[in-house]
Amino acid sequence: ETGVTQSPTHLIKTRGQQVTLRCSSQSGHNTVSWYQQALGQGPQFIFQYYREEENGRGNFPPRFSGLQFPNYSSELNVNALELDDSALYLCASSLGWQGLNTEAFFGQGTRLTVV
Amino acid sequence: AQKITQTQPGMFVQEKEAVTLDCTYDTSDPSYGLFWYKQPSSGEMIFLIYQGSYDQQNATEGRYSLNFQKARKSANLVISASQLGDSAMYFCAMREPRDDKIIFGKGTRLHILP
Repeated sequence: ETGVTQSPTHLIKTRGQQVTLRCSSQSGHNTVSWYQQALGQGPQFIFQYYREEENGRGNFPPRFSGLQFPNYSSELNVNALELDDSALYLCASSLGWQGLNTEAFFGQGTRLTVV
Repeated sequence: AQKITQTQPGMFVQEKEAVTLDCTYDTSDPSYGLFWYKQPSSGEMIFLIYQGSYDQQNATEGRYSLNFQKARKSANLVISASQLGDSAMYFCAMREPRDDKIIFGKGTRLHILP
């Protein structure tokens, strides 16, 4: 068990709605990254937060946004949901910029289904 | 351009046999890190092994070893004495120092047969 917890584990939303996914990072980790994993694909980087500021973003539209809180927990918000947003959303926490071999600990993911 | 390539979508291996999962990568940075993750059906990404680009020796972690061939930009995962519990998706991934994100390949689904 990694100590990274995500909630909820499963979620069903309607197209056009908004959703908030939550991640509680491993104790002491100051960096949180979010990934989207479509069925049968590898995870795709959405964005990363380091000490409450976004410091990297993948090729995702602005309707994907996030927050990191002082306790380093994080939220991923998606507005105007589309059917293609259906995926497993993974959160990873790490000690950012501590070296290339900084292991990222992943949560169990939130499976989002948009209908 | 695809940074991580895993050419084996699926593999079937007899229990107790060794298995090699292929991974090639592309980067112009001399400094980088390579990872292998296991993803069971539950969805969680489980870290298996890490190899740094400047590491002289191949990484090993228990039954897992990484066959690192830098000139070929290859980082194959070798699982010795496979077990039924090894059945899962396996992802090769890379991290570059210019940013902190991890880039994943498309994965290989490994099936261990009894």
